[in-house]
Order: sequence, then C-alpha cells, then structure tokens
Amino acid sequence: ETGVTQSPTHLIKTRGQQVTLRCSSQSGHNTVSWYQQALGQGPQFIFQYYREEENGRGNFPPRFSGLQFPNYSSELNVNALELDDSALYLCASSRTSGRAGETQYFGPGTRLLVL
Amino acid sequence: GESVGLHLPTLSVQEGDNSIINCAYSNSASDYFIWYKQESGKGPQFIIDIRSNMDKRQGQRVTVLLNKTVKHLSLQIAATQPGDSAVYFCAEWQAGTALIFGKGTTLSVSS
Repeated sequence: ETGVTQSPTHLIKTRGQQVTLRCSSQSGHNTVSWYQQALGQGPQFIFQYYREEENGRGNFPPRFSGLQFPNYSSELNVNALELDDSALYLCASSRTSGRAGETQYFGPGTRLLVL
Repeated sequence: GESVGLHLPTLSVQEGDNSIINCAYSNSASDYFIWYKQESGKGPQFIIDIRSNMDKRQGQRVTVLLNKTVKHLSLQIAATQPGDSAVYFCAEWQAGTALIFGKGTTLSVSS
C-alpha cells in the first residue's frame, strides 16, 4: 500500500451539481497531484499543489479547482458537473515538486459518475 | 501533439513465460520515464523508472529498456505470474510537474 487514501470510493452526481473529492497524502509529502482517468485511458494530469499553492495545471477548465491543507490532506472540487466528468479521479503524493525522479504514490481513486 | 503511447492494447501470456510490453514516445526532450501497474479497482503502482542517460535498468523480475534512437521503451517481466495480470502504463515526466501517461496495455496471464 502507498499510504495515500481517498474518499469517497464511489460517488453519483447529476449534471450541473458540484462535487468535492478528498485525498490524504503520505506523511511528510508536501506535494499532491490530481489526475482524471477516463475508462480505458491513462490518467490525465489536472493540477498539482505544492505547499498549499497550485504549482502547475493541465488542460482542464477553471471549474476544476483544488485546495491543499497543512495536515497532508487535499481536495479536488468540480463545479457545474458535465457528463464527460465521469471518470476515476486519482491523487498522488510525492515528497517534493518539480524534480524528475521524485516518485508519485497514487491513492486508489474515487469513481465519479455524472448522470 | 507529443505524447506517450503503447503499441498493443492487450497481451496474453502463459504463466512462466516472459512478457514484453512496449511503449513509444514522441518527445525527444524527455529525460525520465516510469512504468506503472494498475490492478482493477486500484491506483497506479510504481514498478520501475529509467533516466535518458541509461539504456537499461533492472529490478526484481522486471527490466526496462530505453532506445533513444527510435524513441522506444519496453518493460520485460520475467517468469510472468497470474498476479502480474493488470494494466501497464508507461509515463513520461514533463518538466515542472506532471506525469504524461500512455493508454495502457492489459496483460492477461493464464495458468
């Protein structure tokens, strides 16, 4: 096990609603990254937080936002849910940011279904 | 655009055989690659990594080969076991923050 946990495991929402997903990183890891994994695809980078500030962002609209807290927990918020937001959402923690070779440890993911 | 991809979506092998999973990348500036294993219902699990200044790296039962000339890397699993059945992803580290994943190869091991 990686020591990274996520909640909830599954979630069903309707189009237009808002959702908050949670992640608890490994102790001592000050960087958390969020990924979206559509069915049958590889994970796609959403954004990364380092010491509670956004540190990089992929090709996702502003309705995807996040927070990171000092206690190694973090949140992914998605507003105005769309059907295409249905996916597995993964968080990954690492000791630091922006350095090749820094292993990212993934949680089990939250499966979101938007109806 | 530049991306990391895999040659085959599925691979079926017999228990005890060696497995080879391939990946092609297009960003010649990439200098760090990682292989992840993802079992059903779980997040990706780190297997092995390699930097661009290396051609080969070995772990326990796994070997990663990097051919920079043709921008290709492979994951070799020796003596494949049923527990190796999973989806395997190669990922490229993008300078700054992100891992860029390919689509994955599903490895099925029959006993």
